[in-house]
Amino acid sequence: AQTVTQSQPEMSVQEAETVTLSCTYDTSESDYYLFWYKQPPSRQMILVIRQEAYKQQNATENRFSVNFQKAAKSFSLKISDSQLGDAAMYFCAYRSALRDDKIIFGKGTRLHILP
Amino acid sequence: DAGITQSPRHKVTETGTPVTLRCHQTENHRYMYWYRQDPGHGLRLIHYSYGVKDTDKGEVSDGYSVSRSKTEDFLLTLESATSSQTSVYFCATSGLQRSYEQYFGPGTRLTVT
Repeated sequence: AQTVTQSQPEMSVQEAETVTLSCTYDTSESDYYLFWYKQPPSRQMILVIRQEAYKQQNATENRFSVNFQKAAKSFSLKISDSQLGDAAMYFCAYRSALRDDKIIFGKGTRLHILP
Repeated sequence: DAGITQSPRHKVTETGTPVTLRCHQTENHRYMYWYRQDPGHGLRLIHYSYGVKDTDKGEVSDGYSVSRSKTEDFLLTLESATSSQTSVYFCATSGLQRSYEQYFGPGTRLTVT
């Protein structure tokens, strides 16, 4: 069975600095999708970024980018120029492209932004 | 954003009472999901549906049942609520293409006293 691991329960970063959140996953499949979701204090889950496993190029969305290492099964999220509004819980997630199935979430990393 | 609503948004109930949470979507998405979120556990899947009347269990399905009689509605029922079911419950939907991410509802905070 697939698993998703986020080894950092909490992290802090100074405003305007760069921070990287780690995520590793375990799968025997070759075709899948990876996601980072953000959950601010409002509790609303928001998609931050998506990566298709068949694409070698790392996905980017404005200040958010990923470092996707397929062989190492690693999918880290980099937030550049951190802003106070980035403070949230961040979840890494995996979805198979082969099976009619569910998305598997990590346990989350709580990110604090220090002014 | 997908139009996903959950009702009620907050509920306090007593141990042993039945509770039904409703998820309603306006996007005609095929897949619908119920999660619970607890500190230290992240999001855990309770049940999901891949079509009308087609449902399957997630990792924490004991004590919960679901029904989906229409594409737009997915109901989660706690037959006899227990204090361990105090949690925040999220509904999510996903489109037909597997690359689609899940869209989440605003959540329901349930307290069982």
